[in-house]
Order: sequence, then structure tokens, then C-alpha cells
Amino acid sequence: GAVVSQHPSWVICKSGTSVKIECRSLDFQATTMFWYRQFPKQSLMLMATSNEGSKATYEQGVEKDKFLINHASLTLSTLTVTSAHPEDSSFYICSATKDSTQYFGPGTRLLVL
Amino acid sequence: GENVEQHPSTLSVQEGDSAVIKCTYSDSASNYFPWYKQELGKRPQLIIDIRSNVGEKKDQRIAVTLNKTAKHFSLHITETQPEDSAVYFCAAKRESGNEKLTFGTGTRLTIIP
Repeated sequence: GAVVSQHPSWVICKSGTSVKIECRSLDFQATTMFWYRQFPKQSLMLMATSNEGSKATYEQGVEKDKFLINHASLTLSTLTVTSAHPEDSSFYICSATKDSTQYFGPGTRLLVL
Repeated sequence: GENVEQHPSTLSVQEGDSAVIKCTYSDSASNYFPWYKQELGKRPQLIIDIRSNVGEKKDQRIAVTLNKTAKHFSLHITETQPEDSAVYFCAAKRESGNEKLTFGTGTRLTIIP
């Protein structure tokens, strides 16, 4: 298999602050990583595709200026939730592809107060 | 784009009985169909996948069938056990480059002891 890690595993922040989430592929290189958001009892909703060395591709309805994605190396992608609000509270999960199989990180639970 | 529908949304099965979850997809070019199991608060874990060049794949108590003509695929779990209780997601994608996965809405499977 392949291992994908995320940090932090959970974060609580005040409304208006920014939060950065890291996604790492530990034992393989990933030119592409994916960021998902999952609300309680719902499916995974793709937010954006993170491309190493180039701009991320955002899904329809996802604000690129609010959810900043940086994929600076072949093993690290970051998602920054800027000016977070309570409605941004969710479970954020990243994934990376190895040999056509998509492996998920453990997720980051964000609570915005 | 791809659209994946999944049924049922909830399923309760007596321990030892079989469980079947069904998915349909819309993009005839999709050729990779993974199934993920997600326990509460955890990451989705790949349990089995199938590619469009085969019609059925089995791994111990888990099997997946694919009907390309009808564009549907199913997950079969036999001899269910309490630890099979979880949310199961089907997904579909074109297996070229780093195409994104499109997920179904999920099935909450409960195994009744």
C-alpha cells in the first residue's frame, strides 16, 4: 500500500482566522493530490485537485481565494482555509494516487467557533 | 462529468447473512471502480476495486461485479460480521493520468448480532 498523512488531526479556531492543513505522501511521490470535504453523514465532496508545481484545479462552487492550495513538492500539499467561519467546520480529507489507487489521509476535523 | 448513484442509503443485515450494495455510473468512459469502507471518524479505506476489463472480482468474503453495458456495479459481502458495520462508498473514474474519483452517496451498513 501507500501511506498518506495529514496534520493536524483536529483544530479548533476562532471565526475570522486562517487554518493550514498539511497532506503528505510518506513513501511515494505524488504529482497530484486531492482535497475533499465531508459533512456529517454525507459523502466525500471533492474541493480541488492539487498539482505539483502548478495551480490547483477547483471544483465548481469552491472559492479558490478562500481555500488556498499549495503543492510545493512531490510529497506535500497544503490547504489553507482563510477567514474561517462556522460553516467551514467540517472533516477535510486529502488523498494521493499511487499506481492508480487513491489513498486517503486520516482527515482533519475543523471546528470554527 | 461523471455521476454515481448508490443504493440503498442504509442497510441492516443479520450477522451471517449477505449484504449487497449497488451503484450506477453515467460516464461510459469510466473504467476503474473502487469501493471504500469508512468507519466513524476515520479515513476511507479501499476494500476492493475492479477494472472494466473484468466482470467480477473476489477477495475472501467480499466480491464486486461490473456490468459495463448497463453501467452498474455491485458490492457483495457474504457471512457478514459485526466489524463489517461501517459506511461504504462506491466510486468511478477514468483510469488515465490522475483523473478524479466521483463518489456515490454512501451506504450505512449495520450488522445486527
